[in-house]
Amino acid sequence: AQSVAQPEDQVNVAEGNPLTVKCTYSVSGNPYLFWYVQYPNRGLQFLLKYITGDNLVKGSYGFEAEFNKSQTSFHLKKPSALVSDSALYFCAVILQGDTNAGKSTFGDGTTLTVKP
Amino acid sequence: EAQVTQNPRYLITVTGKKLTVTCSQNMNHEYMSWYRQDPGLGLRQIYYSMNVEVTDKGDVPEGYKVSRKEKRNFPLILESPSPNQTSLYFCASSLSHPGYTEAFFGQGTRLTVV
Repeated sequence: AQSVAQPEDQVNVAEGNPLTVKCTYSVSGNPYLFWYVQYPNRGLQFLLKYITGDNLVKGSYGFEAEFNKSQTSFHLKKPSALVSDSALYFCAVILQGDTNAGKSTFGDGTTLTVKP
Repeated sequence: EAQVTQNPRYLITVTGKKLTVTCSQNMNHEYMSWYRQDPGLGLRQIYYSMNVEVTDKGDVPEGYKVSRKEKRNFPLILESPSPNQTSLYFCASSLSHPGYTEAFFGQGTRLTVV
Protein backbone atom coordinates (compact mmCIF):
# COMPACT_ATOMS: atom_id res chain seq x y z
CA ALA A 1 0.00 0.00 0.00
CA GLN A 2 1.14 3.53 -0.64
CA SER A 3 0.38 6.62 1.42
CA VAL A 4 1.19 10.30 1.51
CA ALA A 5 1.24 12.56 4.56
CA GLN A 6 1.14 16.33 4.55
CA PRO A 7 1.60 17.02 8.26
CA GLU A 8 0.48 20.65 8.17
CA ASP A 9 -3.07 21.60 7.28
CA GLN A 10 -2.07 25.24 7.08
CA VAL A 11 1.14 27.14 6.42
CA ASN A 12 1.33 30.91 6.89
CA VAL A 13 4.23 33.00 5.65
CA ALA A 14 4.91 36.65 4.99
CA GLU A 15 5.44 37.83 1.44
CA GLY A 16 9.12 37.74 0.52
CA ASN A 17 9.97 35.04 3.05
CA PRO A 18 10.92 31.51 2.07
CA LEU A 19 8.21 28.87 2.25
CA THR A 20 8.20 25.13 2.79
CA VAL A 21 5.26 22.77 2.43
CA LYS A 22 6.06 19.32 3.78
CA CYS A 23 5.31 15.93 2.30
CA THR A 24 6.34 12.46 3.36
CA TYR A 25 5.41 9.23 1.65
CA SER A 26 5.35 5.50 2.17
CA VAL A 27 5.62 3.03 -0.70
CA SER A 28 6.98 -0.47 -1.08
CA GLY A 29 9.21 0.37 -4.00
CA ASN A 30 10.42 3.40 -5.91
CA PRO A 31 8.05 6.34 -6.22
CA TYR A 32 7.12 8.92 -8.74
CA LEU A 33 6.37 12.10 -6.79
CA PHE A 34 4.34 15.13 -7.78
CA TRP A 35 3.17 18.47 -6.46
CA TYR A 36 -0.08 20.05 -7.64
CA VAL A 37 -1.70 23.37 -6.75
CA GLN A 38 -5.40 24.17 -6.56
CA TYR A 39 -6.71 27.71 -6.68
CA PRO A 40 -10.26 28.43 -5.45
CA ASN A 41 -12.98 26.95 -7.66
CA ARG A 42 -10.42 25.45 -10.04
CA GLY A 43 -9.05 22.04 -10.84
CA LEU A 44 -5.56 21.01 -9.86
CA GLN A 45 -2.56 22.28 -11.81
CA PHE A 46 0.79 20.54 -12.13
CA LEU A 47 3.78 22.17 -10.40
CA LEU A 48 6.64 19.70 -10.59
CA LYS A 49 7.58 16.03 -10.49
CA TYR A 50 10.38 13.70 -9.50
CA ILE A 51 10.97 10.58 -11.55
CA THR A 52 14.67 9.86 -11.24
CA GLY A 53 18.02 11.64 -11.28
CA ASP A 54 18.79 14.92 -9.55
CA ASN A 55 17.14 15.07 -6.13
CA LEU A 56 16.38 18.78 -6.51
CA VAL A 57 13.55 19.36 -8.94
CA LYS A 58 12.58 22.77 -10.29
CA GLY A 59 9.06 23.50 -11.42
CA SER A 60 6.58 26.18 -12.32
CA TYR A 61 6.29 29.64 -10.72
CA GLY A 62 9.69 29.41 -9.02
CA PHE A 63 8.84 26.36 -6.91
CA GLU A 64 11.26 23.54 -6.27
CA ALA A 65 11.22 20.32 -4.30
CA GLU A 66 13.87 18.05 -2.87
CA PHE A 67 13.57 14.30 -2.96
CA ASN A 68 15.11 12.69 0.12
CA LYS A 69 15.02 8.91 -0.12
CA SER A 70 16.33 8.21 3.37
CA GLN A 71 13.70 10.44 4.97
CA THR A 72 11.04 9.50 2.40
CA SER A 73 10.24 13.16 1.96
CA PHE A 74 9.50 15.48 -0.95
CA HIS A 75 9.11 18.96 0.53
CA LEU A 76 8.02 21.85 -1.67
CA LYS A 77 9.98 25.07 -1.36
CA LYS A 78 10.19 28.58 -2.73
CA PRO A 79 12.86 31.13 -1.81
CA SER A 80 10.55 34.14 -1.81
CA ALA A 81 6.78 33.78 -1.38
CA LEU A 82 4.23 35.86 -3.24
CA VAL A 83 0.68 36.67 -2.15
CA SER A 84 -0.46 35.01 -5.38
CA ASP A 85 1.06 31.72 -4.17
CA SER A 86 -1.79 31.43 -1.66
CA ALA A 87 -3.61 28.22 -2.58
CA LEU A 88 -4.15 24.58 -1.65
CA TYR A 89 -1.16 22.33 -2.37
CA PHE A 90 -1.24 18.58 -2.87
CA CYS A 91 1.57 16.07 -2.86
CA ALA A 92 1.01 12.84 -4.79
CA VAL A 93 2.80 9.52 -5.18
CA ILE A 94 2.61 6.86 -7.86
CA LEU A 95 4.42 3.58 -7.51
CA GLN A 96 6.92 2.62 -10.18
CA GLY A 97 6.52 -0.80 -11.73
CA ASP A 98 3.69 -2.85 -13.19
CA THR A 99 1.79 -3.66 -10.00
CA ASN A 100 -1.14 -1.27 -9.63
CA ALA A 101 0.30 0.80 -12.47
CA GLY A 102 -1.71 3.97 -12.67
CA LYS A 103 -2.88 4.04 -9.06
CA SER A 104 -2.16 7.44 -7.55
CA THR A 105 -2.36 8.57 -3.95
CA PHE A 106 -2.71 12.19 -2.89
CA GLY A 107 -2.08 13.81 0.45
CA ASP A 108 -4.82 15.65 2.30
CA GLY A 109 -3.56 19.01 1.09
CA THR A 110 -1.92 22.02 2.75
CA THR A 111 -3.41 25.48 2.58
CA LEU A 112 -0.71 28.06 2.02
CA THR A 113 -1.50 31.64 2.97
CA VAL A 114 0.99 34.36 2.08
CA LYS A 115 0.34 37.66 3.84
CA PRO A 116 1.44 41.04 2.44
CA GLU B 1 -7.33 24.60 -26.46
CA ALA B 2 -6.13 21.50 -24.65
CA GLN B 3 -8.53 20.68 -21.88
CA VAL B 4 -10.44 18.20 -19.78
CA THR B 5 -14.14 18.97 -19.76
CA GLN B 6 -16.54 17.74 -17.13
CA ASN B 7 -20.32 18.05 -17.20
CA PRO B 8 -22.28 19.08 -15.34
CA ARG B 9 -20.35 21.48 -13.11
CA TYR B 10 -23.03 21.41 -10.44
CA LEU B 11 -25.67 18.78 -9.75
CA ILE B 12 -28.23 18.28 -7.02
CA THR B 13 -30.04 14.96 -7.11
CA VAL B 14 -32.08 12.64 -4.92
CA THR B 15 -31.04 9.37 -3.36
CA GLY B 16 -31.30 6.45 -5.74
CA LYS B 17 -31.67 8.36 -8.98
CA LYS B 18 -29.04 7.16 -11.44
CA LEU B 19 -26.72 9.81 -12.79
CA THR B 20 -23.73 10.12 -15.08
CA VAL B 21 -20.96 12.70 -14.93
CA THR B 22 -19.21 13.01 -18.26
CA CYS B 23 -15.51 13.63 -18.81
CA SER B 24 -13.90 14.32 -22.15
CA GLN B 25 -10.33 15.22 -23.11
CA ASN B 26 -9.09 16.53 -26.44
CA MET B 27 -5.39 15.73 -26.01
CA ASN B 28 -5.40 12.09 -27.17
CA HIS B 29 -4.32 11.03 -23.69
CA GLU B 30 -4.14 7.34 -22.86
CA TYR B 31 -4.67 7.63 -19.11
CA MET B 32 -7.79 8.97 -17.41
CA SER B 33 -8.88 8.94 -13.79
CA TRP B 34 -11.65 10.03 -11.44
CA TYR B 35 -11.15 11.50 -7.98
CA ARG B 36 -13.36 12.79 -5.23
CA GLN B 37 -12.30 15.63 -2.98
CA ASP B 38 -13.67 15.88 0.55
CA PRO B 39 -12.64 18.29 3.32
CA GLY B 40 -9.85 16.84 5.41
CA LEU B 41 -9.50 13.81 3.15
CA GLY B 42 -7.75 15.33 0.17
CA LEU B 43 -8.20 13.66 -3.21
CA ARG B 44 -9.07 9.99 -3.32
CA GLN B 45 -8.92 8.00 -6.51
CA ILE B 46 -12.14 6.27 -7.54
CA TYR B 47 -11.27 4.54 -10.84
CA TYR B 48 -8.63 4.90 -13.49
CA SER B 49 -8.09 3.74 -17.04
CA MET B 50 -4.74 3.10 -18.68
CA ASN B 51 -6.32 2.87 -22.14
CA VAL B 52 -9.51 2.03 -24.04
CA GLU B 53 -11.41 -0.88 -22.50
CA VAL B 54 -8.96 -1.03 -19.56
CA THR B 55 -10.22 0.19 -16.19
CA ASP B 56 -9.09 -0.44 -12.60
CA LYS B 57 -10.29 0.37 -9.14
CA GLY B 58 -8.73 3.13 -7.12
CA ASP B 59 -9.03 3.51 -3.37
CA VAL B 60 -12.76 4.27 -3.14
CA PRO B 61 -14.60 2.51 -6.01
CA GLU B 62 -17.70 1.39 -4.08
CA GLY B 63 -20.91 2.83 -5.48
CA TYR B 64 -19.34 3.96 -8.75
CA LYS B 65 -18.96 2.56 -12.26
CA VAL B 66 -16.91 3.73 -15.21
CA SER B 67 -16.44 2.81 -18.83
CA ARG B 68 -13.79 3.60 -21.45
CA LYS B 69 -15.27 2.77 -24.82
CA GLU B 70 -13.33 5.46 -26.62
CA LYS B 71 -10.12 7.23 -25.83
CA ARG B 72 -11.47 10.70 -25.23
CA ASN B 73 -14.36 9.89 -22.87
CA PHE B 74 -14.43 8.46 -19.37
CA PRO B 75 -17.88 8.82 -17.78
CA LEU B 76 -18.50 8.26 -14.08
CA ILE B 77 -21.77 6.49 -13.31
CA LEU B 78 -23.57 6.45 -9.99
CA GLU B 79 -26.23 3.76 -10.31
CA SER B 80 -27.92 4.54 -6.99
CA PRO B 81 -26.45 7.67 -5.43
CA SER B 82 -26.45 8.06 -1.67
CA PRO B 83 -25.83 11.14 0.50
CA ASN B 84 -22.30 9.95 1.35
CA GLN B 85 -21.43 10.45 -2.31
CA THR B 86 -21.96 14.17 -1.93
CA SER B 87 -18.57 15.50 -2.91
CA LEU B 88 -16.48 17.46 -5.40
CA TYR B 89 -15.43 15.22 -8.28
CA PHE B 90 -12.48 15.70 -10.59
CA CYS B 91 -11.57 13.96 -13.81
CA ALA B 92 -7.96 13.95 -14.95
CA SER B 93 -5.97 12.72 -17.92
CA SER B 94 -2.34 12.26 -18.80
CA LEU B 95 -0.51 11.41 -22.00
CA SER B 96 0.73 8.04 -20.81
CA HIS B 97 1.55 6.34 -17.52
CA PRO B 98 0.73 8.94 -14.85
CA GLY B 99 4.15 8.54 -13.29
CA TYR B 100 5.88 9.77 -16.43
CA THR B 101 3.69 12.71 -17.38
CA GLU B 102 1.69 15.22 -15.44
CA ALA B 103 -2.07 15.02 -15.14
CA PHE B 104 -4.46 17.62 -16.50
CA PHE B 105 -7.56 18.14 -14.38
CA GLY B 106 -11.07 19.19 -15.24
CA GLN B 107 -12.82 22.05 -13.46
CA GLY B 108 -14.69 19.75 -11.13
CA THR B 109 -18.29 18.65 -10.58
CA ARG B 110 -19.93 19.51 -7.31
CA LEU B 111 -22.49 16.80 -6.56
CA THR B 112 -25.08 16.98 -3.80
CA VAL B 113 -27.23 13.94 -3.06
CA VAL B 114 -30.25 14.63 -0.84
